[in-house]
Amino acid sequence: DIVMTQSPESLAVSLGERATINCKSSQSVLYSSNNKNYLTWYQQKPGQPPKLLIYWASTRESGVPDRFSGSGSGTDFTLTISSLQAEDVAVYYCQQYYSSPHTFGQGTKLEIK
Amino acid sequence: QVQLVQSGAEVKKPGSSVKVSCKASGGTFSSYAMNWVRQAPGQGLEWMGGIIPIFGTANYAQRFQGRVTTTADESTSTAYMELSSLRSEDTAVYYCARGSTEFYDSSGYYQGWFDLWGQGTLVTVSS
Repeated sequence: DIVMTQSPESLAVSLGERATINCKSSQSVLYSSNNKNYLTWYQQKPGQPPKLLIYWASTRESGVPDRFSGSGSGTDFTLTISSLQAEDVAVYYCQQYYSSPHTFGQGTKLEIK
Repeated sequence: QVQLVQSGAEVKKPGSSVKVSCKASGGTFSSYAMNWVRQAPGQGLEWMGGIIPIFGTANYAQRFQGRVTTTADESTSTAYMELSSLRSEDTAVYYCARGSTEFYDSSGYYQGWFDLWGQGTLVTVSS
């Protein structure tokens, strides 16, 4: 199984500041045949199901604010929130869909400083 | 607006089985990959498996093989997940999650993201 490791486990950022969450996979999730990274990011608020933010590592889902961006390739990925808003308080998960089982990172809890 | 509406909370005895339903309302169903993800209390997300309704084929995480069965009823736009031989560690919120209409094959293997989730069903396993 591909192991997904997120860092940090928790993060406190001031409103309006940048938040950066990292995700590392134990093997590459880049498909050479189409040059796509099989990685997605989800946001989960308390008591709610996860919400899709980013797929193909860097493609923003429709309706997701442009302050959210994804980057990286191969084994190292980053989710960046350019200017933290109060409604961004949540747990963020990365997930690979390169191979079965489609494993998730352990989550990063984002709070307001 | 398409929604995934799941069945209500369940309390089960160890060794028994549970079947959770997920009904898609307001849109098409058969051509989407339907997946199941669970979340133990205070823990992270765990993908269990999924089904491609138009093929009726499924793919499961190895650790659930033999215990989980996913099915789909196209006539009612409903997906089901049945987990057997329940133990206390299976206590979790179970989510259905819709994949896309592409990136899957006839064997049931889906390689994509989940863009729509059900509200979750809490399954408690306790003697």
